Amino acid sequence: AQSVTQPDIHITVSEGASLELRCNYSYGATPYLFWYVQSPGQGLQLLLKYFSGDTLVQGIKGFEAEFKRSQSSFNLRKPSVHWSDAAEYFCAVGDFSSNTGKLIFGQGTTLQVKP
Amino acid sequence: EAGVTQSPTHLIKTRGQQVTLRCSPISGHTSVYWYQQALGLGLQFLLWYDEGEERNRGNFPPRFSGRQFPNYSSELNVNALELEDSALYLCASSRQGARSDTQYFGPGTRLTVL
Repeated sequence: AQSVTQPDIHITVSEGASLELRCNYSYGATPYLFWYVQSPGQGLQLLLKYFSGDTLVQGIKGFEAEFKRSQSSFNLRKPSVHWSDAAEYFCAVGDFSSNTGKLIFGQGTTLQVKP
Repeated sequence: EAGVTQSPTHLIKTRGQQVTLRCSPISGHTSVYWYQQALGLGLQFLLWYDEGEERNRGNFPPRFSGRQFPNYSSELNVNALELEDSALYLCASSRQGARSDTQYFGPGTRLTVL
């Protein structure tokens, strides 16, 4: 079955520390992968996406993610976290091979940043 | 460029009532998607409209319905509201609705059912 797993429900890091949020997917065809961020009470903002090509993709706000097909992973990283990065982060796979139009989301990881 | 807009921002209804949520896509986008984000249930796909037609719906009862207008804006209607319909309803749009396009989300409508 198609699914996305974010193993960490909650992560706390100190400001200035590095960050890695994990995402594993299960999808039978070519995965189209996304990371979105959601601040409390807000909609989702696209951080970055992977469709094909270079497996290391750069996004907004200094985030990057690496696609590893062998591990079915698409982990999000940031070298130095800022207090404003505190939010909920969602990994998603686009169910596009069957043209359903939908994104399949992970359960999300809440990031807390300590001063 | 203006993003996806949704109205209203917040809504309070009682059980059994009906509600209509509205979404305007990014200019030039023809596809609109609706998602429900309920506490403890995560983000669930509701509906996809493209070029005025319903293309796909998620695993929701028929009392969830909608439509897309010629200007590509969309409405989501929920009839006979139940307590568990309380959620943030997110609308997204994309350029073409075909394979591999990126969905951009609006700020959502928070629906509370009492």
